[in-house]
Amino acid sequence: SQTIHQWPATLVQPVGSPLSLECTVEGTSNPNLYWYRQAAGRGLQLLFYSVGIGQISSEVPQNLSASRPQDRQFILSSKKLLLSDSGFYLCAWSLTSGGAETQYFGPGTRLLVL
Amino acid sequence: AQSVTQLGSHVSVSEGALVLLRCNYSSSVPPYLFWYVQYPNKGLQLLLKYTSAATLVKGINGFEAEFKKSETSFHLTKPSAHMSDAAEYFCAVSDKSNYQLIWGAGTKLIIKP
Repeated sequence: SQTIHQWPATLVQPVGSPLSLECTVEGTSNPNLYWYRQAAGRGLQLLFYSVGIGQISSEVPQNLSASRPQDRQFILSSKKLLLSDSGFYLCAWSLTSGGAETQYFGPGTRLLVL
Repeated sequence: AQSVTQLGSHVSVSEGALVLLRCNYSSSVPPYLFWYVQYPNKGLQLLLKYTSAATLVKGINGFEAEFKKSETSFHLTKPSAHMSDAAEYFCAVSDKSNYQLIWGAGTKLIIKP
C-alpha cells in the first residue's frame, strides 16, 4: 500500500531564516506531487505541483520554491522566511487517471514564523 | 474556468440530527467531484468521489452525496451526526485541463451535544 510522509511535523522559525520541508511517497511510481498551504482560517492554496522529476509548476508567485530530486521526493524551500509564510503545509500525491485522480494527503507540517 | 462554492463556512447541528453540507460547482463539462474531511491538525482524507457512474455516491463514515446536474450541486449528507464528525469538510472539482483539483473554501462542521 502507498504511504506519504512529511517532516518535520512542527517547526518554529525566525523571520529571515531558511526553510526546507520534505515529503516522500512510498509504494507507487511516477506520482503527481503537490504542495498546499492552509493559512489560519483559510482554505487550501495550491503552491506547486509536479508531474515528474525536475518538472515543477508554480501556482503562486512568492518566496517559496519546490524541487523534485527523486521520483517520490518533493521538497519545499525558502531562502528567507516571511511572517506571512506561517501556516499548515500539506503534501499530496495522485496518479494520472483521466481526470478522476484522487489526491492523497500527508499529515502536514505546522510552520510558525516569528 | 471551473469553480466550487461551499455555502456556510460553519455549520452547527445537534448530535443525532441530519448533516447537510452544501457544494455547488461551475463546469462547462461533466465534472469529477470530491468530498474530503480534515480533522484538526491532520491531513485531508477522501470521503467520497463522483466519477459519472451512479449519481448517489456512498462514502466512508456513513456519508453520502448526490450529484444533481440540473442544480450543479453535490451536497454531502449524513442521516445522524456523531460527535466524531466534527471536522472541516472540503468539496473539490477536477479540472480536466490539467488534472488539478479546484477546491471550495471549506465548511467547519460543529456538533452540539
